[in-house]
Order: sequence, then structure tokens, then C-alpha cells
Amino acid sequence: KNEVEQSPQNLTAQEGEFITINCSYSVGISALHWLQQHPGGGIVSLFMLSSGKKKHGRLIATINIQEKHSSLHITASHPRDSAVYICAVGEDTDKLIFGTGTRLQVFP
Amino acid sequence: DVKVTQSSRYLVKRTGEKVFLECVQDMDHENMFWYRQDPGLGLRLIYFSYDVKMKEKGDIPEGYSVSREKKERFSLILESASTNQTSMYLCASSSRVASSYNEQFFGPGTRLTVL
Repeated sequence: KNEVEQSPQNLTAQEGEFITINCSYSVGISALHWLQQHPGGGIVSLFMLSSGKKKHGRLIATINIQEKHSSLHITASHPRDSAVYICAVGEDTDKLIFGTGTRLQVFP
Repeated sequence: DVKVTQSSRYLVKRTGEKVFLECVQDMDHENMFWYRQDPGLGLRLIYFSYDVKMKEKGDIPEGYSVSREKKERFSLILESASTNQTSMYLCASSSRVASSYNEQFFGPGTRLTVL
């Protein structure tokens, strides 16, 4: 069993829909990260959180430490949100453990 | 603007060739990482360096070596490239400062094809 599991693996949506991507982990963590990877390869950090909720524009990330679960929400989705979203967790080391990613396609 | 750069975006090599992938960061970060990314497998750590001349094996070090002679530069070496090393290679760096603990900054990636 992978230490970080994401669901769904693939997601398609119509523009304007509310989107949720889930991440469950099995290890103790110091922080959880949500990353975005557009076609072409570059990865950017969206959120780093260890408790509660963070919001940036149309993106919201939540984490429940007791349940070892995090969600990434996108409100009013847009075709430019099409990307792979990756969940990663950090233990008490400098390394991250990555999920396999969720591929999101938003159609106009 | 902080930056991690990689020497090539695309690279094609032949089986048995020695391949060098270079990564440079301008953020004075202590940690640097090399990953490979394959469909369905996500990012897997090849090697990690936490200081100049220091290195630590990741999950899949076989067939690879690394070099960190300067703080800003971390090189990945494929001593004798094989077709199963065809992949996307990503470099990242991070600071050991507590306020940015674990946050990694990624380069654009090098898509390597070994024929």
C-alpha cells in the first residue's frame, strides 16, 4: 500500500464546476503539500499546510490531521486549471513522499 | 524571482553513453534532490544532497551517481545509459530553515530518451 494515496486518478469537468481532489496518507507528518504540474513538466507549489485550511484565489486546501486526510478544492473551474495535481507529505526529515497525482481536464 | 534551472529540456542519448544532467539553484538552499517521474508511478527520489559533497541514496539509486562540488549545483550522472532510464528527470531544492520546512522548488525537468 502506498503511503500517500490520491483520488481520483483522472478527473474531467465542465468549466465552472466545483472540483475536489482527495489525499490520504498513512505516516505521521510535519506538513502536507499540494503541487501543480502543467503539461511540459514544471512543478509549482500551491499550498503547504500542517493544520486547518488555506485559501488562495479559487483554490482551497484543507487538512484533517486526526483522519490523515486532505482535500484540494477548485471553485469555478476554468480550462487553465487543467493540470496534474500532486499531494506530498513531509515527515521529520527533509524529504517528501509523493502521491501519484490526479490528472484534471476542464473543458469549456 | 527564485529559480531552479536544468541544463536541458530534452535529451536523446544512445545505450551505453555516459549522461550528465545539471541542476543549478540560486536560492542558497542546503538541500537538493534528483527525481525521476514515470506515468502511474509519480515522483521517485534518486539521490538527495543536504550539503556540499554530501549525498544520500533515495529510493531508486541503481544506475545513477551524483556530484555536489558547489552549493548551488547538483549533477546527476548516468554512468552507462540504458533504455529503462528513459524518463522525465526533475531537480528540486529546499531550505533547512524551519519556516519553509520541506517546501521544495522544482526545475522545469529534463525529458531523457535513451535509444
